[in-house]
Amino acid sequence: SYVLTQPPSVSVAPGKTARITCGGNDIGGISVHWYQQKPGQAPVLVIYSDTVRPSGIPERFSASNSGNTATLTISRVEAGDEADFYCQVWDSSSDHGLFGGGTKLTVL
Amino acid sequence: EVQLVQSGAEVKKPGDSLKISCKGSGYSFNNYWIAWVRQVPGKGLEWMGIIYPGDSDTRYSPSFQGQVTISADKSISTVFLRWSGLKASDTAIYYCATYISTSSGGDSWGQGTLVTVSS
Repeated sequence: SYVLTQPPSVSVAPGKTARITCGGNDIGGISVHWYQQKPGQAPVLVIYSDTVRPSGIPERFSASNSGNTATLTISRVEAGDEADFYCQVWDSSSDHGLFGGGTKLTVL
Repeated sequence: EVQLVQSGAEVKKPGDSLKISCKGSGYSFNNYWIAWVRQVPGKGLEWMGIIYPGDSDTRYSPSFQGQVTISADKSISTVFLRWSGLKASDTAIYYCATYISTSSGGDSWGQGTLVTVSS
């Protein structure tokens, strides 16, 4: 079955750019969605369909998807961005959704 | 405003049955998929399954197929997640979320239901 691979952790200084990857076989050919989850809260969709920001999500959040890697980019990182981030796709061959293992973003 | 309101926390014993709920409001309930997602404390998100309330079309992750049952009652705009024999390993927070389609992102989420299974 399809597998999504994320780094367990990413650290970045305030004001810098964070990049969180999500690896999967030919992931560039399917839609990837990204979620942010802060401690004690439900996940929030921050990017859908590879690159689209829902209303209310800051422009600092962007994403790309090509080849075997999808990437979430957070520019001008703020302390409030510290959270767990998950990628998610629909596996059409098995007809179910799945999440990556999650990446903990630490703002130094 | 789209809202998903989930039922309250549950404490059960191994072998018990349980049904938790997720009530939708503020949108056309029959026309959006609703997924269930599990999160074991301190661990990541796990996609369990999804249902289309309009016709009860349901898809399950292989990891949860046969372990839980997802159902919907359109008359009360509510989706359910049911276990017939709980295990300690079912202890987790369970979230529901709306999806426009199976290949879209989950754009509105419930507050989560904590299920604790302990003898």
